[in-house]
Amino acid sequence: GIQVEQSPPDLILQEGANSTLRCNFSDSVNNLQWFHQNPWGQLINLFYIPSGTKQNGRLSATTVATERYSLLYISSSQTTDSGVYFCAVERSGGGADGLTFGKGTHLIIQP
Amino acid sequence: DAGVIQSPRHEVTEMGQEVTLRCKPISGHNSLFWYRQTMMRGLELLIYFNNNVPIDDSGMPEDRFSAKMPNASFSTLKIQPSEPRDSAVYFCASSRLSNQPQHFGDGTRLSIL
Repeated sequence: GIQVEQSPPDLILQEGANSTLRCNFSDSVNNLQWFHQNPWGQLINLFYIPSGTKQNGRLSATTVATERYSLLYISSSQTTDSGVYFCAVERSGGGADGLTFGKGTHLIIQP
Repeated sequence: DAGVIQSPRHEVTEMGQEVTLRCKPISGHNSLFWYRQTMMRGLELLIYFNNNVPIDDSGMPEDRFSAKMPNASFSTLKIQPSEPRDSAVYFCASSRLSNQPQHFGDGTRLSIL
């Protein structure tokens, strides 16, 4: 099956800092999503981004499908950004399929 | 709009008991997915349905697990008999079509004693 690797696995930053999270995947995809899992365990959709660039407030994401990677940028981080960030992909080649998740980046924002 | 609704939010039961988890997908979504999250294995797909039909159940760990989708607005995941290693958070997700984003419920935290 498709492989998804996220880096770094852990990241500790001071409030106000910027960060870049990376997701590499091993095959062509027709769906790529970034999620934030908050301390209550909820999986919050951040971006649906199989290709291109999107921005939402302090967050932005870029996927370069031809090179099989995606980046999530967090600017001016806040303590509420803490949690685990997951990249998940759905491989190309058919109807709706299940997502394969990476192991996540555990982000801690210190005040 | 209501999101994906899962129940119960928490379930604690004894080994050997039957457990039934429930999911109501977003109205108009044609695909429904069940995932499980554990510390050891992370988030993994168990089974998914397109238009109420199970498509791929290769992720279901054992015959003790079964899932149904009797109509477009309801699905169940059943474990019988339950074992302590089934303890995990179970998520349900739905999407409108292929190549569309999946939206997740808040999950059911299951503890088998």
